[in-house]
Amino acid sequence: QVQLVQSGAEMRKPGASVKVSCKASGYSFSDYFIHWVRQAPGQGLEWMGRINPRSGGTNHALKFQGRLTMTRDTSISTAYMELNRLTSDDTAVYYCARDLSSGWDWQFDLWGRGTLMTVSS
Amino acid sequence: QSVLTQPASMSGSPGQAITISCTGTSSDIGDYNYVSWYQQHPGKVPKLILYDVSVRPSGVSNRFSGSKSGNTASLTISGLQAEDEADYYCSSYSSTSTLFVFGTGTEVSV
Repeated sequence: QVQLVQSGAEMRKPGASVKVSCKASGYSFSDYFIHWVRQAPGQGLEWMGRINPRSGGTNHALKFQGRLTMTRDTSISTAYMELNRLTSDDTAVYYCARDLSSGWDWQFDLWGRGTLMTVSS
Repeated sequence: QSVLTQPASMSGSPGQAITISCTGTSSDIGDYNYVSWYQQHPGKVPKLILYDVSVRPSGVSNRFSGSKSGNTASLTISGLQAEDEADYYCSSYSSTSTLFVFGTGTEVSV
């Protein structure tokens, strides 16, 4: 079954870091970019960045530069998103999503179920 | 960070058609066909309903159609049904340092 399975809900204090995982199954993990998208409560979708699972190369949205780290472990078909220096504004559901086609696409046909991350003192 | 502009909300009666606009710039929608639309029901995961401006993924109803003119993309939902009540987001690649943008989202009521 083609799917992305994300890690469970997290709670952090301001200033802390969080690392969310996204395990792919049912397809060749290295062939499709993985993107990270978040959605704050009652808000719209916000693109954070993407990783090329084959090369490990990444692209970040400008607002997350210096705070966001995306990595992957091809041996277990898993992508990771680490966000540090958390504030309450980072409270959101974090999704991983796969490109529609291999190569260069920027359109997402497969989504994880989301990881709720709450930042509160 | 720039975004694509959509109407905040739209409504229609069952059976009617509505068209949701998504306005960008010449650096995103105007210059690329990597325009897609997502449907999101409350508490659910976004679902791809159109890609490459107007292509429906397998299994998506043909009541959803898309087009583009200049810097504006449009999603038309024909024959509105109660199940179409959801939030809809457009998105596009951008050649600027932004790289990728989502629309502001449109809440559709039936």
